[in-house]
Amino acid sequence: NAGVMQNPRHLVRRRGQEARLRCSPMKGHSHVYWYRQLPEEGLKFMVYLQKENIIDESGMPKERFSAEFPKEGPSILRIQQVVRGDSAAYFCASSPRTGNQETQYFGPGTRLLVL
Amino acid sequence: AQSVSQHNHHVILSEAASLELGCNYSYGGTVNLFWYVQYPGQHLQLLLKYFSGDPLVKGIKGFEAEFIKSKFSFNLRKPSVQWSDTAEYFCAVNALRGNNRLAFGKGNQVVVIP
Repeated sequence: NAGVMQNPRHLVRRRGQEARLRCSPMKGHSHVYWYRQLPEEGLKFMVYLQKENIIDESGMPKERFSAEFPKEGPSILRIQQVVRGDSAAYFCASSPRTGNQETQYFGPGTRLLVL
Repeated sequence: AQSVSQHNHHVILSEAASLELGCNYSYGGTVNLFWYVQYPGQHLQLLLKYFSGDPLVKGIKGFEAEFIKSKFSFNLRKPSVQWSDTAEYFCAVNALRGNNRLAFGKGNQVVVIP
């Protein structure tokens, strides 16, 4: 059973470009979470999605960031017009059901570097 | 909002030494508590979790953690570490009435010297 897959593992962008980060949840999981880890910081929650629905986006920056989890295909975290401060590791997690006691299974992360 | 504190970001110890990593959280309501580990080059993995019941929780690889409600703490322990325990350890919390989102501490980078 494959784990949570994220790609690319490393992404380099110049300021002003767009970054697209992909997350394929574990088989049978319909709940996806995105977290961001800035250097020397812990992971910070960004957004929680179910298929075709955004459940909680309270951790998403107000501008330039968006997320989706379509009926078919991976979840996408999109960052428009990237700035140097967006450089971070972005982790995706998935769970089979909703509920605070559901274990979240994490992917390997995407390391974004903005030049 | 919940916040999680982990102290002593870098810990260096020798094999067979005992390890204790502190975790304190700030949230007045009922919480679920987790410890995750990230080995070099690998993704985050769940070590153990506490929801209710016995406050002493046993996890994988000989780790355990104790929930002390009065101290808002969930410290991780291992009596005798091995070189393979070199990793980064993260404490995380979510609120029982929250929306599944985990609040993480900054992590402890643990290096075990053979």
